[in-house]
Order: sequence, then C-alpha cells, then structure tokens
Amino acid sequence: ETGVTQTPRHLVMGMTNKKSLKCEQHLGHNAMYWYKQSAKKPLELMFVYNFKEQTENNSVPSRFSPECPNSSHLFLHLHTLQPEDSALYLCASSQDRRANYGYTFGSGTRLTVV
Amino acid sequence: GQNIDQPTEMTATEGAIVQINCTYQTSGFNGLFWYQQHAGEAPTFLSYNVLDGLEEKGRFSSFLSRSKGYSYLLLKELQMKDSASYLCAVRGTYKYIFGTGTRLKVLA
Repeated sequence: ETGVTQTPRHLVMGMTNKKSLKCEQHLGHNAMYWYKQSAKKPLELMFVYNFKEQTENNSVPSRFSPECPNSSHLFLHLHTLQPEDSALYLCASSQDRRANYGYTFGSGTRLTVV
Repeated sequence: GQNIDQPTEMTATEGAIVQINCTYQTSGFNGLFWYQQHAGEAPTFLSYNVLDGLEEKGRFSSFLSRSKGYSYLLLKELQMKDSASYLCAVRGTYKYIFGTGTRLKVLA
C-alpha cells in the first residue's frame, strides 16, 4: 500500500454509461493529480489540484470531469466515453504543487470502454 | 519540444547487472526521478538525482549528467522480483515529463 487508494481497480463501461473513479490519500498531501497511462505511451497528465483548487487542465475532453471536495479526495467522473479512452488511470499526490520529492501513486483503475 | 527517451524493453539474467538509460530534453530542470512499476501496481519511487553524479541505494544506483541530458539506473544482483517497468521522469519548472518506461524481464 502506498497511502493512495484508488477504487475501483477495474471498470468496464459502455459508451453511454456514467461512472466515477475515486482516489483517497491520508498522507497529508495538498496536491493531487490524475494521470492516464496507455500502452507504449508516456504518462499523460490530465488534471492537477492544489489545496482543492484545480490548477491545471491539460486539454482534457469534457467527457472527463474531475472533482476535488477536499485535499484528501479526488474523483474523476466519466460519461460518454470512447473506446480510445480505455487505459490505466492513475491518481497521485504530493506534499505540494512543487512536488520536490516526487509523487505517491495509487495502483490505478484499469478502464475498458466497450 | 520536451521529450524523454528510454528503451522499450530489456532482458537480463538473474544475478546479473543491467543499466537502463534515459535521455531527456526539457525546458527547465529541477530533478530526475526513477520509478518502478510492477504490472497492475502503483509506480513507486526509486531514486532522485538533481546534481551530477551517482546516487547509490542498495542494489540500485542512479546516475545523472545534466550537461548531457542523460541518466541511467543501474540494477545489480538482479532478482526475479525486479521484473517490472522502470519509468524515468524529469521535473521541469512546474511539470513532470515522463518517459514511456522500460519493461525489464529477468530470466532465471
């Protein structure tokens, strides 16, 4: 266990479904991130939250909607996804936005869109 | 542009030494990280270099040359459990840039 917990671990959804991914950390970190990991591609930064405020949206389609109700929880709401959105979605946290000491990652949610 | 290059796959034998290279071109440099990721698991922190030279931590060492935009991760006395992907990441001014990862297979 890294201290960052993601649920569910696996998710299969149809293109018309709505689902949410959840991330939780109790490390006292103030910055949280969503990354997308696809085969043979670098990790792609999607969203950054610092002290509950979104500080970065990396040109992510609106079918992905993040929510950060407090510094310990981060959600990614999904709707009307496409098959190419199938990937591993990783949540990460760091002490602050500078992330001087790197990230702590969760184990990810393996998403399959059918 | 910004990019990080590392080999896609490597294979080595149990007990051997393997070196995984990483070259980078980024705007701004505030450190280079190596992460280990086993299949289906979270990437976990292995090492951090911000100054030139070698950092040793047990069986793992990481080297950095900022002038050459180059780093390597050295794994000694390989064990089967070292079979994993190894991600190189550079911290720029406020962004992290990740490589695609090197999948290491350790054979008995």
